[in-house]
Amino acid sequence: QVQLQESGPGLVKPSETLSLTCTVSHYSIGSGYSWGWIRQPPGKGLEWIASVSYIGNTNYNPPLKSRVTISIDTSKNQFSLRLNSVTAADTAVYYCARRAGSDSYYFDFWGQGTLVTVSS
Amino acid sequence: EIVLTQSPGTLSLSPGESATLSCRASQSVSSSYLVWYQQKPGQAPRLLIFGASTRATGIPDRFSGSGSGTDFALTISRLEPEDFAVYYCQQYASSAVSFGQGTRVEIK
Repeated sequence: QVQLQESGPGLVKPSETLSLTCTVSHYSIGSGYSWGWIRQPPGKGLEWIASVSYIGNTNYNPPLKSRVTISIDTSKNQFSLRLNSVTAADTAVYYCARRAGSDSYYFDFWGQGTLVTVSS
Repeated sequence: EIVLTQSPGTLSLSPGESATLSCRASQSVSSSYLVWYQQKPGQAPRLLIFGASTRATGIPDRFSGSGSGTDFALTISRLEPEDFAVYYCQQYASSAVSFGQGTRVEIK
């Protein structure tokens, strides 16, 4: 069974860069699928951030596109997120997930999520 | 950007009752790209339905999805105690993903 695990700082200062990594187990991410980041502010709904394919093609949520970079490192079986110029509004649980569906688009395996707080 | 609006915001029901959750899109969505998730407190979302009506692996048949165009629904027949949770719809179009704001199904 595919497993995903987020890692990164739990506290980031305003105006700085949030960096998270997702390590995938029991599947070689260079073999296929796309991989994504989704976030959830405390007590609120889900927001898709970005996705990257196994060959490095990227899609970004338009409102966040100017501040986000998603990348993939197949040698480490990891993919990563960078979000620049963070504010308190970026405080959220950040999930990484596998995107499945060749003629659909859904996230079938998710990490447990990691809370990132933006505060000085 | 396609906006998904879920209704009602909260559904208060008793175990054994049926629930119908609505997801309305601001413009037409391909049924292939309409998805439903369940989320319990402190947990990641769990895939329930993809392609508007196909149950994911291991999902009980009391969960069913329907709809097309701009109107989609998730029906839970015979609510079990473990079904009380928040449900989200999600769509994909024009290289972007969006989620509805969620419907909470709570015990009455």
